Amino acid sequence: DIMMTQSPLSVAVTPGESASISCRSSKSLLHSNGITYLSWYLQRPEKSPQLLIYQISNLASGVSGRFSGSGSGTDFTLKISRVETEDVGIYYCVQFLEVPLTFGSGTKLEIK
Amino acid sequence: EVQLVESGGGLVQPGRSLKLSCAASGFTFSNYYMAWVRQAPKKGLEWVATISTSGSRTYYPDSVKGRFTISRDNAKSSLYLQMNSLKSEDTATYYCAGITTANWFAYWGQGTLVTVSS
Repeated sequence: DIMMTQSPLSVAVTPGESASISCRSSKSLLHSNGITYLSWYLQRPEKSPQLLIYQISNLASGVSGRFSGSGSGTDFTLKISRVETEDVGIYYCVQFLEVPLTFGSGTKLEIK
Repeated sequence: EVQLVESGGGLVQPGRSLKLSCAASGFTFSNYYMAWVRQAPKKGLEWVATISTSGSRTYYPDSVKGRFTISRDNAKSSLYLQMNSLKSEDTATYYCAGITTANWFAYWGQGTLVTVSS
């Protein structure tokens, strides 16, 4: 199984500052078709997860441009610029390269 | 507006069975792979099952293989999860999710809570 390791476990950010979350996979997520199957989700308190980023860096429809994704192979980063109170929640990365699909353990973002 | 509405959760004794349903609307259900993802209380997300657009292919992690069965009815835009031989560790909120052909969870339901306890 592909292990997904997120860090940090939690981060506290002052509104207006930036935050970065790391996600590392135990195996390259680059498929032979050239696509890297890594996506990011936000689960706000008491809510269902929602898609933020797909295929490393593509912003989902309706998601703020303050979110951006980068990386390649086994090393990925989600950056949140100018953090707002509505960004509070738990962020998850997930790999779709192969089954079993596996999620990172989550990174909790809090506001200072 | 896309909607995924799960139902069928509740309290069930260990070893018993339960069937979850998910009613989809607002998108072409038959064009999407579908999945169940669960979240134990205060824990992270765990993939439970995926089914292909036609229903001919299904996928499970070892933790539920042989006990859970995912199925779908495209005519009714509905997804199901039959859960047998339930264990206390199956206690979780179960989310129904739609997967795009390019492989990401595009849509999520609001979840239904399953509690396995005597």
